[in-house]
Amino acid sequence: GQQVMQIPQYQHVQEGEDFTTYCNSSTTLSNIQWYKQRPGGHPVFLIQLVKSGEVKKQKRLTFQFGEAKKNSSLHITATQTTDVGTYFCAGNDYKLSFGAGTTVTVRA
Amino acid sequence: NAGVMQNPRHLVRRRGQEARLRCSPMKGHSHVYWYRQLPEEGLKFMVYLQKENIIDESGMPKERFSAEFPKEGPSILRIQQVVRGDSAAYFCASSPESGTTYEQYFGPGTRLTVT
Repeated sequence: GQQVMQIPQYQHVQEGEDFTTYCNSSTTLSNIQWYKQRPGGHPVFLIQLVKSGEVKKQKRLTFQFGEAKKNSSLHITATQTTDVGTYFCAGNDYKLSFGAGTTVTVRA
Repeated sequence: NAGVMQNPRHLVRRRGQEARLRCSPMKGHSHVYWYRQLPEEGLKFMVYLQKENIIDESGMPKERFSAEFPKEGPSILRIQQVVRGDSAAYFCASSPESGTTYEQYFGPGTRLTVT
């Protein structure tokens, strides 16, 4: 089955700074989804990437799917305290194969 | 529009007892997925069900765990003779169809604690 790895596991960011979290799969993915989970909450769908090399933006979040469809990244600019949470990527083979997530904390 | 509903939100069981977790999918969704999340880990797929059918239970432990999605009523994840290692958050998700292009909508989860 798909194995999805994410780095870094923890990201401590100064408010206003940018950061990137990376997702790598052992196999080619048909598509990749990103979810955000706030502390004590449940995963909430952010976006899905399907095409090789695809880039999508949501306000300060930029999502990219690699050319080989085996990796993806999430870049957040001008981090805010509302960005706190754990960001998961998941390969979608009708069942989601989640990475371990990147837990983001923000220093005001 | 009610989202995915799960109950109870918190469940405490002693070792050896049974735990029953319920999930009502979003209206119009006929595909249900159960995931387990251990502290500070990602979610692990357990089972995928459609009405009255188990489609994929490859992530489910072979013993003590069972799941169903009857024609009427919620999906049930049942854990018999719970052990401390079963303590986790159990999330249910639903989608309108199956396939690789559909996002899954997650419920609030059931936090199971085994004492």
